[in-house]
Amino acid sequence: ELKVEQNPLFLSMQEGKNYTIYCNYSTTSDRLYWYRQDPGKSLESLFVLLSNGAVKQEGRLMASLDTKARLSTLHITAAVHDLSATYFCAVAPAFGNEKLTFGTGTRLTIIP
Amino acid sequence: DTGVSQDPRHKITKRGQNVTFRCDPISEHNRLYWYRQTLGQGPEFLTYFQNEAQLEKSRLLSDRFSAERPKGSFSTLEIQRTEQGDSAMYLCAKFAAIPNTEAFFGQGTRLTVV
Repeated sequence: ELKVEQNPLFLSMQEGKNYTIYCNYSTTSDRLYWYRQDPGKSLESLFVLLSNGAVKQEGRLMASLDTKARLSTLHITAAVHDLSATYFCAVAPAFGNEKLTFGTGTRLTIIP
Repeated sequence: DTGVSQDPRHKITKRGQNVTFRCDPISEHNRLYWYRQTLGQGPEFLTYFQNEAQLEKSRLLSDRFSAERPKGSFSTLEIQRTEQGDSAMYLCAKFAAIPNTEAFFGQGTRLTVV
């Protein structure tokens, strides 16, 4: 059974600082997803990572994937208040359908 | 706009009542998924359709739950004899074609059972 762990679960950081959210998964996968969720809202797609060593960047967010270590990171650079949200990683089984297994989420709060 | 429309956005129902949610992926997409998200947790897979065929169901989907996709376009999820534990956000998703495979979620239906 595929398991996905995120850490930290809660993160409070000051504006302007850098930080990293980690996502570990338990079995082979060929697709990893990062989502953002604002309170009471649905999921906003941030990144899809499809291969070992993949790196994608959008604004102050950068995601990477190491399939050998079964680890993905979401790096936040020079955080701003607008990035406050809950971030989820999700993993699809290798060579399978898109039955995503989600992590428990990281609730990020950016303090001015 | 993710191209996935869900209706209703909010539903409050009394315990024991039946409810039905609708998901419309708008453009043609052969793969459609339902997820459930309870407060403070990540979404959990419920079921998925390829065209009109329901190919997989989670053990979370008790016999009170039924899902259909009659013509391979929109889908419905029905919960019979609702219980307080059914209170959650119900999300529908479609997936872009390979190799992108990006997943787009609808706005969700928030169900509250009182």
